[in-house]
Amino acid sequence: QSVLTQPPSVSGAPGQTVTISCTGSSSNIGAGFGVHWYQQLPGTAPKLLIFSNNSRPSGVPDRFSGSKSGTSASLAITGLQAEDEADYYCQSYDSSLSGSRVFGGGTKLTVL
Amino acid sequence: EVQLVQSGAEVKKPGESLKISCKGSGYRFTTYWIAWVRQIPGKGLEWMGIIYPDDSDARYSPSFQGQVSISVDTSIDTAYLQWSSLKASDTAMYYCAREGVDAYKFDYWGQGTLVTVSS
Repeated sequence: QSVLTQPPSVSGAPGQTVTISCTGSSSNIGAGFGVHWYQQLPGTAPKLLIFSNNSRPSGVPDRFSGSKSGTSASLAITGLQAEDEADYYCQSYDSSLSGSRVFGGGTKLTVL
Repeated sequence: EVQLVQSGAEVKKPGESLKISCKGSGYRFTTYWIAWVRQIPGKGLEWMGIIYPDDSDARYSPSFQGQVSISVDTSIDTAYLQWSSLKASDTAMYYCAREGVDAYKFDYWGQGTLVTVSS
């Protein structure tokens, strides 16, 4: 079981909006540590998509956005495109686990 | 341009030892933490541990403590992940990743090293 909980899968049609949730606890997200999101396209290494809850690295389209509230965070993807089909992971820091960085279990996005 | 280049795929037998590498370039290697992340085929990302090259301070996930060893050689800007006795369950893709200066985010990733352990 992952420290951060994500739905195993989400889906949406091209042009639609999907959201992926990431639920943590008072020792990670709820403690104020930033939430980061990664996109992993099939057969490739993960790529930083959103950092510190809602910031985008240079080159990431503004169709991708993040938010955080309490012990949870969300990734929203608007105007879905076929090339968005990938696995998405949230990640944070957990103060109860001796310097541990922690990942969510990952969410598979299918574009219908 | 920041790059992390990992060593090539390995095929090993159970009980053998292995050391895989991750070479950083395009930035000051000693001042950024380098993490190792495991991905079993078809599964999610698991944080294994992290090292600060400047002083070799290494931290491990409880799940991997005692199972692997993380080290660095700052003379060649390279981090390592090492096993003394591989098991079939170590079969996975292993990624190194640079941790950015704040917020514990992984801003650059290596291309991955596939380790296959089979008799």
